[in-house]
Amino acid sequence: NAGVTQTPKFQVLKTGQSMTLQCAQDMNHEYMSWYRQDPGMGLRLIHYSVGAGITDQGEVPNGYNVSRSTTEDFPLRLLSAAPSQTSVYFCASSQDSAYGYTFGSGTRLTVV
Amino acid sequence: QKEVEQDPGPLSVPEGAIVSLNCTYSNSAFQYFMWYRQYSRKGPELLMYTYSSGNKEDGRFTAQVDKSSKYISLFIRDSQPSDSATYLCAMSGAPYNFNKFYFGSGTKLNVKP
Repeated sequence: NAGVTQTPKFQVLKTGQSMTLQCAQDMNHEYMSWYRQDPGMGLRLIHYSVGAGITDQGEVPNGYNVSRSTTEDFPLRLLSAAPSQTSVYFCASSQDSAYGYTFGSGTRLTVV
Repeated sequence: QKEVEQDPGPLSVPEGAIVSLNCTYSNSAFQYFMWYRQYSRKGPELLMYTYSSGNKEDGRFTAQVDKSSKYISLFIRDSQPSDSATYLCAMSGAPYNFNKFYFGSGTKLNVKP
């Protein structure tokens, strides 16, 4: 059982470049989300989805896009990378958000 | 004011000590409380989950919720070096409300052999 798989694990981008962070889960979870984790800031919600075809914004959505065409996949797109987007990004999924999430191992992104 | 406050530490204890980790919150509507453990360069993993007030025990771990004081705790008995990690609290006011889950910033724990 792979759980939540994130790729890539590390990425360095130049300012202005775009890229997609991949997230896939094999647990048939309806809920999926993207968080960023910065020192002293904890986990902040970027975007989330409550099912295929349904997405919504979280706390810090600016500069990011998401789509959910299948239950399994929830990619996060950085439209035009900025140094402020240097962070560790976590994808998480849950069958019922009240009972906790399963997190991926993270993508460490550096924007120079 | 943040919804959830958590002392960042670091907290350093000798092996075998009892560890107390705490979070305070401001929203009296919170009912679902969780603790996650995060090892360095890994994703958070769910450690304990509690609903409403009271205690929940799982092996060496005990989660405690005091809604009247808006205060939650995680106790670790007989702490081990393998418990060295960052511990994050999280809470929510309602189920099925994915965008309303609030995390503390995490407390870094170091258990010395």
